[in-house]
Amino acid sequence: GQQVMQIPQYQHVQEGEDFTTYCNSSTTLSNIQWYKQRPGGHPVFLIQLVKSGEVKKQKRLTFQFGEAKKNSSLHITATQTTDVGTYFCAGYAGNMLTFGGGTRLMVKP
Amino acid sequence: NAGVTQTPKFRILKIGQSMTLQCTQDMNHNYMYWYRQDPGMGLKLIYYSVGAGITDKGEVPNGYNVSRSTTEDFPLRLELAAPSQTSVYFCASATFADSPLHFGNGTRLTVT
Repeated sequence: GQQVMQIPQYQHVQEGEDFTTYCNSSTTLSNIQWYKQRPGGHPVFLIQLVKSGEVKKQKRLTFQFGEAKKNSSLHITATQTTDVGTYFCAGYAGNMLTFGGGTRLMVKP
Repeated sequence: NAGVTQTPKFRILKIGQSMTLQCTQDMNHNYMYWYRQDPGMGLKLIYYSVGAGITDKGEVPNGYNVSRSTTEDFPLRLELAAPSQTSVYFCASATFADSPLHFGNGTRLTVT
């Protein structure tokens, strides 16, 4: 079946440093979605990418979808303590949405 | 503006007990999902539904049952609780199969 791998599992950064999480799918995706889950909270939808090579920005967050539509990344510029949480990618293919394992971001003030 | 509502928020069960986790959404979404999330881990799909009267197994369905008699409600039933079912359970809904998911706040279940 479809697999979605996400790296790294954990990342500690100093406030102000940049952060990137990567998502790789075993199959070509129709779209990829990104979610953020704050500690003790529920996943909240951030963005959806559909087109090959697509890049979208939300303030300090930049999302990319690979040319082959099998990988994606989320980059946060100048992290803040409010960025703390776990970031999940979820790839849609074959009528199924598959979540990656998530990257837990910890920010030291 | 309720969205997806899950009850209860917390529950402690003894081994062998049964319970139903409730999930209701007011967005008229056809697609509904149940996920479980073990501590520090990702989301695993238990069951899903593409509309009233239609349900299907996800990745980890054993020990659970679901029903979907209305568009709004998608309850998850645990018949014989086991310690391995200790987890946080999230219900989610979506407009279409490839649409973003709207999650409920979750139910934290402990089986001892």
